[in-house]
Amino acid sequence: GAVVSQHPSWVICKSGTSVKIECRSLDFQATTMFWYRQFPKQSLMLMATSNEGSKATYEQGVEKDKFLINHASLTLSTLTVTSAHPEDSSFYICSARDGGRASNEQFFGPGTRLTVL
Amino acid sequence: DAKTTQPPSMDCAEGRAANLPCNHSTISGNEYVYWYRQIHSQGPQYIIHGLKNNETNEMASLIITEDRKSSTLILPHATLRDTAVYYCIVRVAHSGGSNYKLTFGKGTLLTVNP
Repeated sequence: GAVVSQHPSWVICKSGTSVKIECRSLDFQATTMFWYRQFPKQSLMLMATSNEGSKATYEQGVEKDKFLINHASLTLSTLTVTSAHPEDSSFYICSARDGGRASNEQFFGPGTRLTVL
Repeated sequence: DAKTTQPPSMDCAEGRAANLPCNHSTISGNEYVYWYRQIHSQGPQYIIHGLKNNETNEMASLIITEDRKSSTLILPHATLRDTAVYYCIVRVAHSGGSNYKLTFGKGTLLTVNP
């Protein structure tokens, strides 16, 4: 149980294009989902927190108009990187909190590697 | 959330116990200790968490000192597949909204050698 998937697992795009990454909780309802970014040899950095049906809360320094987050259902959240540039190349990871559990462990997706040419 | 301090790297022989330390001297009374690990190019994996009592599950054991200022994650019989970055995180549990977020430090790179 508690499986989170991401799609695609990797994507290569041209500079200036937009890329959408999906995060799905496969066997539970995720009341809260999180999006992280990880650059090579660095730790995960939280980008934003999203609750189903409401606007995402972005961390300081993360441009909300560039990184669009939609959490329209209890099993799906999407991150759209708009007008991507090479500096947006990174490993993007989502996690989800199981709303049916009392504890706070988060379940992470396998990540999406974005390369912007 | 309280800050944590972990050694940047450790080595362990395959089949031996791996003991990963974590200092969290500013931990508050309502903060739990969580451990996650990240195998290269994968998403983090939850391992275990605890408040003040020692905890054990199928993956590992968590030993928390009586004053709660430090803890040790124990992998009893390390295998090559346990090579990963291990993150110790302290945070409030059972809270709402954005307080659920996890703040990752640099973690400890555990290398299990054959």
